[in-house]
Amino acid sequence: DGGITQSPKYLFRKEGQNVTLSCEQNLNHDAMYWYRQDPGQGLRLIYYSQIVNDFQKGDIAEGYSVSREKKESFPLTVTSAQKNPTAFYLCASSIERTGTDTQYFGPGTRLTVL
Amino acid sequence: AQSVTQLDSQVPVFEEAPVELRCNYSSSVSVYLFWYVQYPNQGLQLLLKYLSGSTLVKGINGFEAEFNKSQTSFHLRKPSVHISDTAEYFCAVSRSGNTGKLIFGQGTTLQVKP
Repeated sequence: DGGITQSPKYLFRKEGQNVTLSCEQNLNHDAMYWYRQDPGQGLRLIYYSQIVNDFQKGDIAEGYSVSREKKESFPLTVTSAQKNPTAFYLCASSIERTGTDTQYFGPGTRLTVL
Repeated sequence: AQSVTQLDSQVPVFEEAPVELRCNYSSSVSVYLFWYVQYPNQGLQLLLKYLSGSTLVKGINGFEAEFNKSQTSFHLRKPSVHISDTAEYFCAVSRSGNTGKLIFGQGTTLQVKP
């Protein structure tokens, strides 16, 4: 089945540690996105990528980093510089990065800082 | 700048009753509008989207929405809800042109009671 997978489902981090969240898609989509979801705030865009080896900052990129070495993979690293990383993280993809395209979402990773 | 306001954070309703979830947006340019649903601890799934043409859009699971340009609204409706419709619903807007950035509302939790 085509879709987006995210791993792990739950992740616990100690303060000062970097952690990497995985996102893989087999939909052959060009564009990929990372969102952060906090209760009562909807989804906020962290980073997005339209093609391999290219990515752009979203609205809340500080304390996060990404890479896009392969079309199907878009991992997100939450660095120690992110002051409040506890949240639900969602990865999405779309055929292209246009306003009309449907974004397809993965099941999410819940990150908790201990 | 674009923004999306979902006017109700929670909507309780009895099973088989009709429901309307309200969404207003602000934008100085043409927009595309989306409704997504999120079941607990899962990713988002597209319910429907408005790109152009008929202002009444039908989606999955019996939902429909009406685009009202003069009132800058895109309210979601269902004539008879089921217990299984209990979820969080997000309205989102993107801008016409070469950009895939989605701006999400804060979300509305639909609680269907037996």
